[in-house]
Amino acid sequence: DAGITQSPRHKVTETGTPVTLRCHQTENHRYMYWYRQDPGHGLRLIHYSYGVKDTDKGEVSDGYSVSRSKTEDFLLTLESATSSQTSVYFCAISESRGQGTEAFFGQGTRLTVV
Amino acid sequence: SQKIEQNSEALNIQEGKTATLTCNYTNYSPAYLQWYRQDPGRGPVFLLLIRENEKEKRKERLKVTFDTTLKQSLFHITASQPADSATYLCAPRYGNNRLAFGKGNQVVVIP
Repeated sequence: DAGITQSPRHKVTETGTPVTLRCHQTENHRYMYWYRQDPGHGLRLIHYSYGVKDTDKGEVSDGYSVSRSKTEDFLLTLESATSSQTSVYFCAISESRGQGTEAFFGQGTRLTVV
Repeated sequence: SQKIEQNSEALNIQEGKTATLTCNYTNYSPAYLQWYRQDPGRGPVFLLLIRENEKEKRKERLKVTFDTTLKQSLFHITASQPADSATYLCAPRYGNNRLAFGKGNQVVVIP
């Protein structure tokens, strides 16, 4: 299995509190992604990174920020959690080798905002 | 904006038959398209990649086709088994190595 770890695996937090999810990889892959997955919506891209300090928004980036200060870590922050951000969050990594390559996913973080 | 369509209804199929899933995309021409499998409570796992200049790709009992004219990919599981029961996601690649996914299509193989 690809070396990708998400933490925490489960979290319950209160509305209005800040939350940070961590994705750590040991593969030295260039690209890292954060997705959320909700029933009826599938996997939706929140933010992604194409290198240290290089990030870009995905389709559902409002209310989320990210940081990547090291190749191995990609942090997702909910500045002020809302109930609509209750979801399962997945981190993924990939390495571009010309004509495309596969993505490897973490185990997921189940976040509940009450 | 890009749109990826997969059938939202679960596909129930008898063991031993061939399951066929459809992925339609619009508004862009991906250089390649990937298929993933996802089991409940787990992250997706890569299965196959097919490039725009390839018509068909096979891996064991899996077969993928890619029709850039129809903007469609078909995913086939031949001789399906109960262990094939899962949700299958398609992911056409577009710009800057972003990876967007369809909502997935659940397959249930009935023994």
